[in-house]
Amino acid sequence: EAEVAQSPRYKITEKSQAVAFWCDPISGHATLYWYRQILGQGPELLVQFQDESVVDDSQLPKDRFSAERLKGVDSTLKIQPAELGDSAMYLCASRRDRSAISSTEAFFGQGTRLTVV
Amino acid sequence: QKEVEQNSGPLSVPEGAIASLNCTYSDRGSQSFFWYRQYSGKSPELIMSIYSNGDKEDGRFTAQLNKASQYVSLLIRDSQPSDSATYLCAVIVADSGGSNYKLTFGKGTLLTVNP
Repeated sequence: EAEVAQSPRYKITEKSQAVAFWCDPISGHATLYWYRQILGQGPELLVQFQDESVVDDSQLPKDRFSAERLKGVDSTLKIQPAELGDSAMYLCASRRDRSAISSTEAFFGQGTRLTVV
Repeated sequence: QKEVEQNSGPLSVPEGAIASLNCTYSDRGSQSFFWYRQYSGKSPELIMSIYSNGDKEDGRFTAQLNKASQYVSLLIRDSQPSDSATYLCAVIVADSGGSNYKLTFGKGTLLTVNP
């Protein structure tokens, strides 16, 4: 069964350092999401891609976070510099359709647990 | 008002009982609704999707949608200890400009099924 791949699974970094997460969506999935989930909270959308284009990054802290999906396939989320408050689970999800509303579901990768010390 | 709201719980039920989880949403134009299950330390796993008013059943799970009242619920029959997890309601909602639709989650309800 096709899966969303994420790496690394765990990352410990010191504050002020740079950190990057990678996601490879299910083959053929046009929509890719990056979420941040703090313990006890629901996932919060950071950025949404349709193919290689960003369609929503309204909640992305752009002074320190960046995301790209250059060829419309895999994606990288970067934090520089990392802060203590960035400690969270970073989740990537993908969905097949490009359309604004459709009946296709989103599937998640295993996530990256980031700890900033 | 938050876009997707859930009671955070915890909800505790005995084994074999029916667990009822509820969710309300603010965007009347929403068309797609999902329930995800998330075990502690793991990523969300899709368990149900529903798009039309009424009930949709899949094994022990039943999703219910009422667009007029803007709520969606999940019933788990014959609850098992392995059902103990956080259940996340997700809705596709329009952004403030109305030009993009994003998958938005509630905070989740923690369910505990006691043996």
